[in-house]
Amino acid sequence: NAGVTQTPKFRVLKTGQSMTLLCAQDMNHEYMYWYRQDPGMGLRLIHYSVGEGTTAKGEVPDGYNVSRLKKQNFLLGLESAAPSQTSVYFCASSYSSLEAFFGQGTRLTVV
Amino acid sequence: AQKITQTQPGMFVQEKEAVTLDCTYDTSDPSYGLFWYKQPSSGEMIFLIYQGSYDQQNATEGRYSLNFQKARKSANLVISASQLGDSAMYFCAMREGGGKLIFGQGTELSVKP
Repeated sequence: NAGVTQTPKFRVLKTGQSMTLLCAQDMNHEYMYWYRQDPGMGLRLIHYSVGEGTTAKGEVPDGYNVSRLKKQNFLLGLESAAPSQTSVYFCASSYSSLEAFFGQGTRLTVV
Repeated sequence: AQKITQTQPGMFVQEKEAVTLDCTYDTSDPSYGLFWYKQPSSGEMIFLIYQGSYDQQNATEGRYSLNFQKARKSANLVISASQLGDSAMYFCAMREGGGKLIFGQGTELSVKP
């Protein structure tokens, strides 16, 4: 089982460029999440989804958009990257009441 | 509003001793779950233990136990017989019934030989 797979694992963007991070899970989980991790800030929730076709804002949604067109995939988009979006991004998925499984993370640098 | 607080940025413990990592939470939802995760220096997130809001007994998983005090809204993690491999960041998390899962700021645990 692959579990939760994030693509890409590393990326360097120039300010103003756009990109999409892909999260794919093969566990038939209903819930999916996107977080960013910055030093001293823990994991902060960007957006989440409780089912195919649904999305909701988390704690720090500004500057990001998401889509969940298929149950197994959750896409995170940056329309116009800013240096403040330099971070490590984690995707996670879970059944409704059980623990979340995490991807390996994507290290994004915006210069 | 849903909130998780870890007030200990860093902790030290002697090998083979027990350590308690603090976590307090706030929610108005009567149905919620509490989680602890470990993040070693390699970066992956490892699930440790879960406590449901309606569970009567404290959760235990091997050397990990969760000291759940519902009235005080605390969910402290107790690690018994610390090992050098326990050195890592530890995160407390809470999910309400609507599915939103949020994390605390983390506690960095260092185990001394």
